[in-house]
Amino acid sequence: KAGVTQTPRYLIKTRGQQVTLSCSPISGHRSVSWYQQTPGQGLQFLFEYFSETQRNKGNFPGRFSGRQFSNSRSEMNVSTLELGDSALYLCASNEFRGQSTDTQYFGPGTRLTVL
Amino acid sequence: GENVEQHPSTLSVQEGDSAVIKCTYSDSASNYFPWYKQELGKGPQLIIDIRSNVGEKKDQRIAVTLNKTAKHFSLHITETQPEDSAVYFCAASKDDYKLSFGAGTTVTVRA
Repeated sequence: KAGVTQTPRYLIKTRGQQVTLSCSPISGHRSVSWYQQTPGQGLQFLFEYFSETQRNKGNFPGRFSGRQFSNSRSEMNVSTLELGDSALYLCASNEFRGQSTDTQYFGPGTRLTVL
Repeated sequence: GENVEQHPSTLSVQEGDSAVIKCTYSDSASNYFPWYKQELGKGPQLIIDIRSNVGEKKDQRIAVTLNKTAKHFSLHITETQPEDSAVYFCAASKDDYKLSFGAGTTVTVRA
């Protein structure tokens, strides 16, 4: 079974620009979560999607948005980039095994650098 | 929201010795506690998880214990090997598909 795919793996942008990151979950998984990882703040939850609906959102400004398509692929968008948005953005594919909380499998991440 | 604290931040052990990482959580409603291992340039990899209806779980050299009353859980790695060197994260979650992570522990296994 193929793992979680994230594209691109590396990205360099300048302040004020916008960026779109893509995530393809594990086949059969219908839920996707996004996290931001920085040395200062660690791993922080951005949002979670299930069947094209955002079910939960973390404490990030409205510049951070996402969506999910009918094939479960997800994208996240960051508008008006700031230097502090430089981070590793991780996508997690969520498995439902009959328990109340899904097991989450992470992709390799997209390294975003804002200059 | 949930607050997860993880200790120690760095851990150096001799090959063959055991390593223990401890985490505490604040929200008594949390019911799922996974542990992830992250190697340089890679995403976090799930190594073991435990749910609140279980006190202990073991998978080969890795074990996790959970004390719901004290709101803490621990990762135990026995017979450490050089390939165990990585950053380890604990996390906690309730029924909301959101993981709250600890700050991470950098484990170095000395040959």
